[in-house]
Amino acid sequence: DQQVKQNSPSLSVQEGRISILNCDYTNSMFDYFLWYKKYPAEGPTFLISISSIKDKNEDGRFTVFLNKSAKHLSLHIVPSQPGDSAVYFCAASQGGGGSNYKLTFGKGTLLTVNP
Amino acid sequence: KAGVTQTPRYLIKTRGQQVTLSCSPISGHRSVSWYQQTPGQGLQFLFEYFSETQRNKGNFPGRFSGRQFSNSRSEMNVSTLELGDSALYLCASSLKGSEQYFGPGTRLTVT
Repeated sequence: DQQVKQNSPSLSVQEGRISILNCDYTNSMFDYFLWYKKYPAEGPTFLISISSIKDKNEDGRFTVFLNKSAKHLSLHIVPSQPGDSAVYFCAASQGGGGSNYKLTFGKGTLLTVNP
Repeated sequence: KAGVTQTPRYLIKTRGQQVTLSCSPISGHRSVSWYQQTPGQGLQFLFEYFSETQRNKGNFPGRFSGRQFSNSRSEMNVSTLELGDSALYLCASSLKGSEQYFGPGTRLTVT
């Protein structure tokens, strides 16, 4: 049973445009969500997170939106740059993010940003 | 600050053998988690250690075990290796909760 789903295996966008990566979850106990970026031959790198008490969190070019009623979150990258090309993982945990150290990951979306 | 380090980076083993992987967390991080990444299943949580105690465990068979030392370094052991154990094994350390910092992983190939 996949509790965190990233239904798009890949996404291709032009440099300078917006990239929108989507993630759905089924476990209503999840209350903290994270996005990670992974380059080949490296471990995932933490990008941005959001608590379920918020609906938006922004950090530079990266914004995460959370729609709790739809159990859906998205990562917006504006403007997209070729260096953003990587696999993006959505992850979720329960327990407020401060005390729970178990992450449930989606299978990832390969983002390609074309120059 | 140095990042999470994992050794070895690559390993080839034969079915039935056992293997031990090592992870050194970021200095000051006391929580260490282990994940298995495969093309079919993605990233799956194995277990998490804090202050030498296993606090969380994923749905893996007992062949997968781990431990943590007093300096927070951790090892993961897989006994009686199967072909399906071929994967990238990732270690992550954390200072606070879910924001985990990953190492580069150990690529295990079982033949």
